[in-house]
Amino acid sequence: SQQGEEDPQALSIQEGENATMNCSYKTSINNLQWYRQNSGRGLVHLILIRSNEREKHSGRLRVTLDTSKKSSSLLITASRAADTASYFCATDKAAGNKLTFGGGTRVLVKP
Amino acid sequence: DTAVSQTPKYLVTQMGNDKSIKCEQNLGHDTMYWYKQDSKKFLKIMFSYNNKELIINETVPNRFSPKSPDKAHLNLHINSLELGDSAVYFCASSQDLVYGYTFGSGTRLTVV
Repeated sequence: SQQGEEDPQALSIQEGENATMNCSYKTSINNLQWYRQNSGRGLVHLILIRSNEREKHSGRLRVTLDTSKKSSSLLITASRAADTASYFCATDKAAGNKLTFGGGTRVLVKP
Repeated sequence: DTAVSQTPKYLVTQMGNDKSIKCEQNLGHDTMYWYKQDSKKFLKIMFSYNNKELIINETVPNRFSPKSPDKAHLNLHINSLELGDSAVYFCASSQDLVYGYTFGSGTRLTVV
């Protein structure tokens, strides 16, 4: 089974709007990361948040982490058509040696 | 320069055939991975090598055999291909999980 479950599975918004997606996971983690996958391409690392952090920003991205609820959210502000992609969360466990990915959220930003 | 390159990008083959996918990284990373992405976009780890040593071998049919001739290369050989092997296979590399993975662009395998 997947460590991360993402919600919603798909999201359609207008350019300029914000996009929010959530990730829940089952076991204790070291770090949580978010990746973007454009159609037909590999995944690209966006941002990492450590288990002792609650919020992190990078450009138009804002990530939150609630370890008590075992959940994270990714907010993309002022979305652009180029943000159209699938977004995945990934976790690694303490002393782990791999990332476990969620099922992804497909985001469509309409111009 | 492509950091993690996979070949071929597309592979269409008949059931029962044997095929290989190659992966090379020029980042100097110690660890390389193979992931399988199914039609619903779920990514599942298959194998991982650290400095040519196998460190992760998930529940994968033994028709799949990885080989790492050196730390910059990780190849995947698949024997007796089945319809269910159709998927996109991604190679990735990492120096430390804190920095995340660098992925290749994937190999779309279609078994007919």
